[in-house]
Amino acid sequence: GEDVEQSLFLSVREGDSSVINCTYTDSSSTYLYWYKQEPGAGLQLLTYIFSNMDMKQDQRLTVLLNKKDKHLSLRIADTQTGDSAIYFCAESRGNTDKLIFGTGTRLQVFP
Amino acid sequence: SQTIHQWPATLVQPVGSPLSLECTVEGTSNPNLYWYRQAAGRGLQLLFYSVGIGQISSEVPQNLSASRPQDRQFILSSKKLLLSDSGFYLCAWSIQSYEQYFGPGTRLTVT
Repeated sequence: GEDVEQSLFLSVREGDSSVINCTYTDSSSTYLYWYKQEPGAGLQLLTYIFSNMDMKQDQRLTVLLNKKDKHLSLRIADTQTGDSAIYFCAESRGNTDKLIFGTGTRLQVFP
Repeated sequence: SQTIHQWPATLVQPVGSPLSLECTVEGTSNPNLYWYRQAAGRGLQLLFYSVGIGQISSEVPQNLSASRPQDRQFILSSKKLLLSDSGFYLCAWSIQSYEQYFGPGTRLTVT
């Protein structure tokens, strides 16, 4: 995960928006992903964006991609306590299914 | 629908003992299979991936090995565990897409 960077922690109040950021280094990445990991569990695919897109919205989730800056963000609207988890961004390399993961951002939602 | 199983869920093993972790996938054929390790406070590291029976690619030289004796079975092994092998091991599958689906994980503690 050394090529994909994320801040380690984010704390938000319930009802506010959360923005989790990620930077990557490989400009040939075709897909970029956001995964959610709840305590003691595996990873759940939340959403992904193709590299030729700038934005993707899915209910409370909005993904923004800035290819020039190699920056990916995940915005969670109306954050709930159930959103508390670790969020990983990941990039795919070229034409393979191999994913390179970031270190994860632990989101804590407080009432 | 497709499901992925991992066992055991947790494991405590002494240094120098052997290891065998199993992953099976149901509801799909000829998936790509992956083993990841998540060390405490770190992101996911891809250990092995397989595109078919008997075909294993190693991403990181280490104390571990992988085998795929059947189409939907992926095994992670070690002859002698090291303390540094402790972590959360995740199996994932993908098929004809760039989406990977993760199992529930095995938490390994080497004492």
